[in-house]
Amino acid sequence: AQSVTQLGSHVSVSEGALVLLRCNYSSSVPPYLFWYVQYPNQGLQLLLKYTSAATLVKGINGFEAEFKKSETSFHLTKPSAHMSDAAEYFCAATFQGAQKLVFGQGTRLTINP
Amino acid sequence: GAGVSQSPSNKVTEKGKDVELRCDPISGHTALYWYRQSLGQGLEFLIYFQGNSAPDKSGLPSDRFSAERTGGSVSTLTIQRTQQEDSAVYLCASSLLGGGARADTQYFGPGTRLTVL
Repeated sequence: AQSVTQLGSHVSVSEGALVLLRCNYSSSVPPYLFWYVQYPNQGLQLLLKYTSAATLVKGINGFEAEFKKSETSFHLTKPSAHMSDAAEYFCAATFQGAQKLVFGQGTRLTINP
Repeated sequence: GAGVSQSPSNKVTEKGKDVELRCDPISGHTALYWYRQSLGQGLEFLIYFQGNSAPDKSGLPSDRFSAERTGGSVSTLTIQRTQQEDSAVYLCASSLLGGGARADTQYFGPGTRLTVL
């Protein structure tokens, strides 16, 4: 079955530390992949997306993600965490033959001062 | 420009009542989607409209749920005879192209929080 899995429902890092949020997909054909961020009581905002043009994708707010076909992964990173990065992050995919987004379970990121 | 808007932002209803949730997509976007976000189920797809094509209703959880899109713009999601398990945040999204453009970015509204007592 085609699916998206995010490892770790909660991640906590110190301000200034590296942020790493993990996302893996399951499908025989690589999907298009997206990372969204959700701040409290708000909708989802796109951080970045992979559409097969380049495996290293840079997004807003200093985030980037690398698509690795061999590992079926699309992990999100940021070199130095800011307090304002505290939010919930969702990895999502559109699989071949479908327009809908399939979401991972989400990862809540907490930044410690 | 204006983003996706949804109304109401919050809705509290009694079990068994019908509710209507509204979505105004970004002007010019041809595709419109409804998703549901709940604690137990996460984010799940409900329905997708693309231009004048028949909607993809494959995510609707029961026949109590229906949606329409009038004039290729505004959409209404209707839940009949609401149940407590319908309590969730209902998110609407729109995208410029749809129609097989899987890389197309979906832009989300702020959601409607539905509480069924």
